[in-house]
Amino acid sequence: AQTVTQSQPEMSVQEAETVTLSCTYDTSESDYYLFWYKQPPSRQMILVIRQEAYKQQNATENRFSVNFQKAAKSFSLKISDSQLGDAAMYFCAYRSAEEPNFGNEKLTFGTGTRLTIIP
Amino acid sequence: GAVVSQHPSRVICKSGTSVKIECRSLDFQATTMFWYRQFPKQSLMLMATSNEGSKATYEQGVEKDKFLINHASLTLSTLTVTSAHPEDSSFYICSARDGAGGGTDTQYFGPGTRLTVL
Repeated sequence: AQTVTQSQPEMSVQEAETVTLSCTYDTSESDYYLFWYKQPPSRQMILVIRQEAYKQQNATENRFSVNFQKAAKSFSLKISDSQLGDAAMYFCAYRSAEEPNFGNEKLTFGTGTRLTIIP
Repeated sequence: GAVVSQHPSRVICKSGTSVKIECRSLDFQATTMFWYRQFPKQSLMLMATSNEGSKATYEQGVEKDKFLINHASLTLSTLTVTSAHPEDSSFYICSARDGAGGGTDTQYFGPGTRLTVL
């Protein structure tokens, strides 16, 4: 079974600065997807960014980028120019992309990192 | 992005009653929906995977007779907590996946339902 580990229960960053959230995972599969989800105080889960394991290029979405190290099984999230609205719980998640699970992939979540933005 | 709604957003009930939570995909068809449970300050725990027109697949340790799931259409799945007890109090979140499976589909989450059993 796959596991996802987020070793930082809490992080804080000064507004406009850059912060990196860590995530490691364990899997024996070679084909999978990785995600970062954000859960603000409203509790609504929002997809921040996704990465396909077969792609070497790191995904980016505006101020959000990842550092995907497949051999090290590491998937960190970098938030640049942090804004007050970035304050939330951030969850790293894994999903298989291999048969026979391909049709019903479920997400395996890490325990989350609570990010605080300091004005 | 796609929108998933949940109803109700909050429910308070007495111990022993049953509560139904609805999850709808508003602008896309979802062949697969997922039900999660989240305790305070904890991660999401998958309870079951729901496929339209077939029986749900429950995760180990989740009582299927207590948490009844019905996925009757491509846009609606329901979770019924039967004979609810205080230990069932939690935040329940559904998600729906657009597409029929594959790399391009994404899971979209509902806003959650807070269940409090007195």
